[in-house]
Amino acid sequence: AQSVAQPEDQVNVAEGNPLTVKCTYSVSGNPYLFWYVQYPNRGLQFLLKYITGDNLVKGSYGFEAEFNKSQTSFHLKKPSALVSDSALYFCAADLNTGRRALTFGSGTRLQVQP
Amino acid sequence: DGGITQSPKYLFRKEGQNVTLSCEQNLNHDAMYWYRQDPGQGLRLIYYSQIVNDFQKGDIAEGYSVSREKKESFPLTVTSAQKNPTAFYLCASSAGQGAGTGELFFGEGSRLTVL
Repeated sequence: AQSVAQPEDQVNVAEGNPLTVKCTYSVSGNPYLFWYVQYPNRGLQFLLKYITGDNLVKGSYGFEAEFNKSQTSFHLKKPSALVSDSALYFCAADLNTGRRALTFGSGTRLQVQP
Repeated sequence: DGGITQSPKYLFRKEGQNVTLSCEQNLNHDAMYWYRQDPGQGLRLIYYSQIVNDFQKGDIAEGYSVSREKKESFPLTVTSAQKNPTAFYLCASSAGQGAGTGELFFGEGSRLTVL
C-alpha cells in the first residue's frame, strides 16, 4: 500500500553535529515529496520539496534532503544542528492515487542538546 | 500579508454540541484542506476541496462536515457524531495547479477540547 513512514519517533543530536531525520515512502510512479517543521502549538512550515531533477534538494534554514529512488528514501539532513532546530518534523508525499492531497508521516521529534 | 487564518485558536465544547472551526485564506489558492493532528499519529486528512462548491472526503471524514461556498473560506463543523473530537485541527491551502499536489500553506491551528 502507498504510504509514508518515519521510523524514528525521536532523534537526539548535540549542537554543531550533523543531523539526519529519516523518511521512506511507497508511491507508485514518480513521487512528490515534502518536509515540514512544526513548533509547539503552531501550524506546519514548509522546508523543502522534491518534484524532479537533482537528488539533493536544498531548503530553508540550511536544511537539505536527499532523494534516493533505489532505497525509496527522502532523508532530511543538516550539516550542523542548532538548538533552535529542536521541533517536530514531518515528511509528506503525494501518493499518486489521483487524490490531490498530501499524506503525512507520523512525525519525528528532533532534540538538539547544547 | 497573505496567509491562512484559523479561528478560534482554542475551543471548548460540551459533549453533544456541534462546533464550527473557521478557515480563511487570502492567497487566492484553489485548493483547501483540513487535517487532524493527534500525538504520535501525524496528520490525518479529514476533507479537502479543489474548487468552490466541491469537496471530497479524506481518510477520517466521519463525524465532520464542510462547505466551500467561497474560494477563500473552508469552514469545518465537528458534529456530535464525532466520537473523539479532542484534537488539534489544521487548515491548509495550495495553488492546486499542475501535476501532483503542490506545497501546502498551513494556518496556526485550532485546538478543540471536549469537556
